[in-house]
Amino acid sequence: AQKVTQAQTEISVVEKEDVTLDCVYETRDTTYYLFWYKQPPSGELVFLIRRNSFDEQNEISGRYSWNFQKSTSSFNFTITASQVVDSAVYFCALSSNAGNNRKLIWGLGTSLAVNP
Amino acid sequence: EPEVTQTPSHQVTQMGQEVILRCVPISNHLYFYWYRQILGQKVEFLVSFYNNEISEKSEIFDDQFSVERPDGSNFTLKIRSTKLEDSAMYFCASSESGVYGYTFGSGTRLTVV
Repeated sequence: AQKVTQAQTEISVVEKEDVTLDCVYETRDTTYYLFWYKQPPSGELVFLIRRNSFDEQNEISGRYSWNFQKSTSSFNFTITASQVVDSAVYFCALSSNAGNNRKLIWGLGTSLAVNP
Repeated sequence: EPEVTQTPSHQVTQMGQEVILRCVPISNHLYFYWYRQILGQKVEFLVSFYNNEISEKSEIFDDQFSVERPDGSNFTLKIRSTKLEDSAMYFCASSESGVYGYTFGSGTRLTVV
């Protein structure tokens, strides 16, 4: 069965601190895709990144970086020098390459509060 | 940039009434989805639709739910007889391939009173 675990329910930091959001996944598929989405207080789901299972290179986009470790089934997300606008719920999600479904399996989300 | 459009943004309905949530996916996308998020909880898969039929549905998607793609552009979710516990944000998503990325609509907040 596929599963995504985000063990941190809530994180609170002070502006300019670095913060890492953890994501651990389970799947038996050899080809799969991992995603991070941001859900600000306005409620929409904002796509941040997609990573496929064959690409273990870390990625950096501005203040955001992602660390994919296949050996530990983790896909962690770090925000460097956090800002108040980063306050949101962040979801990690998993999709397989199997069949005609390809649905997203979601973690419970981590609520990040960045305080001034 | 192409968008997935959902209407209405907010709907209030009385328990037992039928509601239809509407979505216009991106035109060249082939995979369509409905997800649900009860307030403060995680996003849950409801149903996926490919090649004009349901490809998978979750246990949440019981006989009260149905989906249609009536005219090649709209993708609708119907709840036949709403219950209080159907109150949630409903997200429509579409994907060209199902794995290279999903575009989500901004959601419909359904409130059942």
